Amino acid sequence: GIQVEQSPPDLILQEGANSTLRCNFSDSVNNLQWFHQNPWGQLINLFYIPSGTKQNGRLSATTVATERYSLLYISSSQTTDSGVYFCAVERGNQGGKLIFGQGTELSVKP
Amino acid sequence: EPEVTQTPSHQVTQMGQEVILRCVPISNHLYFYWYRQILGQKVEFLVSFYNNEISEKSEIFDDQFSVERPDGSNFTLKIRSTKLEDSAMYFCASSELGAEAFFGQGTRLTVV
Repeated sequence: GIQVEQSPPDLILQEGANSTLRCNFSDSVNNLQWFHQNPWGQLINLFYIPSGTKQNGRLSATTVATERYSLLYISSSQTTDSGVYFCAVERGNQGGKLIFGQGTELSVKP
Repeated sequence: EPEVTQTPSHQVTQMGQEVILRCVPISNHLYFYWYRQILGQKVEFLVSFYNNEISEKSEIFDDQFSVERPDGSNFTLKIRSTKLEDSAMYFCASSELGAEAFFGQGTRLTVV
């Protein structure tokens, strides 16, 4: 099956710093989503981005489908950005399963 | 904004007991899913459900598990004869065809 690898596994930032999280996947996909899992365990949708670039406030994401990777950019990080960031992909387009990466655990220090 | 809702948020059960986790998907969505996350690990797909039947299931989803859409709004996951290793966060999700999936807040199941 398709493999999803995220890097780095852990990241510690000072408040105000910028960061880039990476997601590599081993096969072509029809769906790619980024999630933030907050300290209460909730999965918050960040981006639905099978290809191209999107921005939402301090966050932006780029997926290069032909090269099988996606990047999540966090600018001017805040302590509330702390948590685990997951990338998830889906191969089919019939409402199939999402395959999650292992996540990047981000800790933003004041 | 429409959201997926799950109940209960926490469930503690004795080993060997049956539990039912409940979900109300987003109303115009047709695809429903259950995922599981063991503490500290990644989120794993359990099962997808469409048109009142299972469309895909993982190796984890064995005879111990079952899903049902008992009415027009609820979607349930039943775990029979719970084991200690079933302790996890269980997420329900829903989507339209080939579109973004939205997740509920999760049910934390603890088997003692």
